[in-house]
Amino acid sequence: AQTVTQSQPEMSVQEAETVTLSCTYDTSESDYYLFWYKQPPSRQMILVIRQEAYKQQNATENRFSVNFQKAAKSFSLKISDSQLGDAAMYFCAYRNNYGGSQGNLIFGKGTKLSVKP
Amino acid sequence: DAGVTQSPTHLIKTRGQQVTLRCSPISGHKSVSWYQQVLGQGPQFIFQYYEKEERGRGNFPDRFSARQFPNYSSELNVNALLLGDSALYLCASSLYRGRSGNTIYFGEGSWLTVV
Repeated sequence: AQTVTQSQPEMSVQEAETVTLSCTYDTSESDYYLFWYKQPPSRQMILVIRQEAYKQQNATENRFSVNFQKAAKSFSLKISDSQLGDAAMYFCAYRNNYGGSQGNLIFGKGTKLSVKP
Repeated sequence: DAGVTQSPTHLIKTRGQQVTLRCSPISGHKSVSWYQQVLGQGPQFIFQYYEKEERGRGNFPDRFSARQFPNYSSELNVNALLLGDSALYLCASSLYRGRSGNTIYFGEGSWLTVV
């Protein structure tokens, strides 16, 4: 069974600074996606960024980028130029692309990010 | 286009009662999944439906059931409610299963409190 681990329950960053959130996962599959979701106090899950396991290049979306280390099964999220609106719970998630569990997301426990003005 | 819509947004039930939660996926999306998020935890997968058939089930008791309708909307039913069923129930939709439906969109959730 696949697992996702987020070892940082809480993180804090100064506005305009950079912060990195950690995520490790365990799987024996080779074809999968990894995601970072943001959950603000409104509770709606918002997709931040995604990475396909077959792609070597790290995904980037504006101020958000990932460091995907497939061999190490590590998938960290870097937020540059942090803004007050970035404050939220961040969840790392894994999804198989094939097999009986395809389409199901497996989430970590989350990291609560605070942004200080 | 409307996103994933869920109803009701909040509800309070008594132990032993039954509850039905509803979800309308994004137009054109054929896959609907349900997740339970207990306070302070990440969401846990309950069910996936694709083309009106159950395609996946998480580690939840038989008190939990779901179905998908011809218009791809879905209902989640929970019988014999327990205090531990208090949680945010999230519905998610995607075009298809697996690789080709790789972006999963979530609704705002239904807050269930069992007293």
